[in-house]
Amino acid sequence: QQQVKQSPQSLIVQKGGISIINCAYENTAFDYFPWYQQFPGKGPALLIAIRPDVSEKKEGRFTISFNKSAKQFSLHIMDSQPGDSATYFCAALAGNNRKLIWGLGTSLAVNP
Amino acid sequence: EPEVTQTPSHQVTQMGQEVILRCVPISNHLYFYWYRQILGQKVEFLVSFYNNEISEKSEIFDDQFSVERPDGSNFTLKIRSTKLEDSAMYFCASSVDSSIQYFGAGTRLSVL
Repeated sequence: QQQVKQSPQSLIVQKGGISIINCAYENTAFDYFPWYQQFPGKGPALLIAIRPDVSEKKEGRFTISFNKSAKQFSLHIMDSQPGDSATYFCAALAGNNRKLIWGLGTSLAVNP
Repeated sequence: EPEVTQTPSHQVTQMGQEVILRCVPISNHLYFYWYRQILGQKVEFLVSFYNNEISEKSEIFDDQFSVERPDGSNFTLKIRSTKLEDSAMYFCASSVDSSIQYFGAGTRLSVL
């Protein structure tokens, strides 16, 4: 119930391509879904986030698509660049104390 | 830009020793968190802290762990008697509204 399942575990994309990472959840009490980007040796940095009353949110090349009925959400990175190579985590916020429940992460490599 | 600062970046300790991991959250933030990430595994919630007390703790956060905000700026995680399985990256996070959480770069704890 408290899990967030993320796929794929790793992804290789050519420069200019679209990177797509998928996440699914069970707990309908989750009410905030952030994506974090992590570079080696750094902490996770908030990339983009969505609430379940919205089906899509776009910020620059990054888009979250949210399907409330299917309990799924995905991150799309358009025109992927080598600088986007990082680990991406989906997460969900739960409970009164707002702890983040994390997916396992996706290691993205964008080839030049 | 304000950031969460963690020290040290790497801590090596012997099994059974006490360690204190330090964090300076963003100054106007009210919610504070510790998470950990064992190598190759997902990020796990440890504890949340608000209004000078623990709001929630995970089953990982047993009697060997404690948190403190001693002086209004620092937020510390103490492990009283470290075990080999405590080896992980420990991330501190802070938030002004408990939704958007900002993370430090982490402390890598190696227990020998």
